[in-house]
Amino acid sequence: DAKTTQPNSMESNEEEPVHLPCNHSTISGTDYIHWYRQLPSQGPEYVIHGLTSNVNNRMASLAIAEDRKSSTLILHRATLRDAAVYYCILRAAPIQGAQKLVFGQGTRLTINP
Amino acid sequence: EAGVAQSPRYKIIEKRQSVAFWCNPISGHATLYWYQQILGQGPKLLIQFQNNGVVDDSQLPKDRFSAERLKGVDSTLKIQPAKLEDSAVYLCASSSLAGGVHTEQFFGPGTRLTVL
Repeated sequence: DAKTTQPNSMESNEEEPVHLPCNHSTISGTDYIHWYRQLPSQGPEYVIHGLTSNVNNRMASLAIAEDRKSSTLILHRATLRDAAVYYCILRAAPIQGAQKLVFGQGTRLTINP
Repeated sequence: EAGVAQSPRYKIIEKRQSVAFWCNPISGHATLYWYQQILGQGPKLLIQFQNNGVVDDSQLPKDRFSAERLKGVDSTLKIQPAKLEDSAVYLCASSSLAGGVHTEQFFGPGTRLTVL
């Protein structure tokens, strides 16, 4: 499984944008970049995923570098409820049976009021 | 839409005892996963079911852990006998197949196991 590298922790202020980086220099051409987050005392929840192009959804945006060796999860306007551990995960092309998520340590995001 | 249900939410046992966890996935989800999350670490996949068949159990400690999904819906994960290092949160997740492609995984709240 290709490895990702994330900062252990980050801190931001409420109502400000947050940029969470992820390095994945050994990514293969068919690996999708997935982001999940885990709020305190809850199971992880899906945030967003992408392959090559930048992606937007109601929760966040995903900016993928042109060489795909890094990506950034963007929370446009952080709230206290966004305080969580954010995991950047590479997953092989979505074919039947090949769906294992390999979680690293993630980035613990703290939001200051 | 109801989420993934797990029970119990908390369990405390003595080492060498046995314990079982139950998971009810989202209705219609063919794929079910059990993860172990030790404090301070990310979740680690223990076993993956596709309907009632095992797809991946390469990281399941088979000498003490077992899991089943007999009718392709609910699943149970058992530990017998438990060790101190089994203290963790056990997470169940499910995903559906759409046109041969798996959707994102939906996780339950987890069962926190403490082995004394």
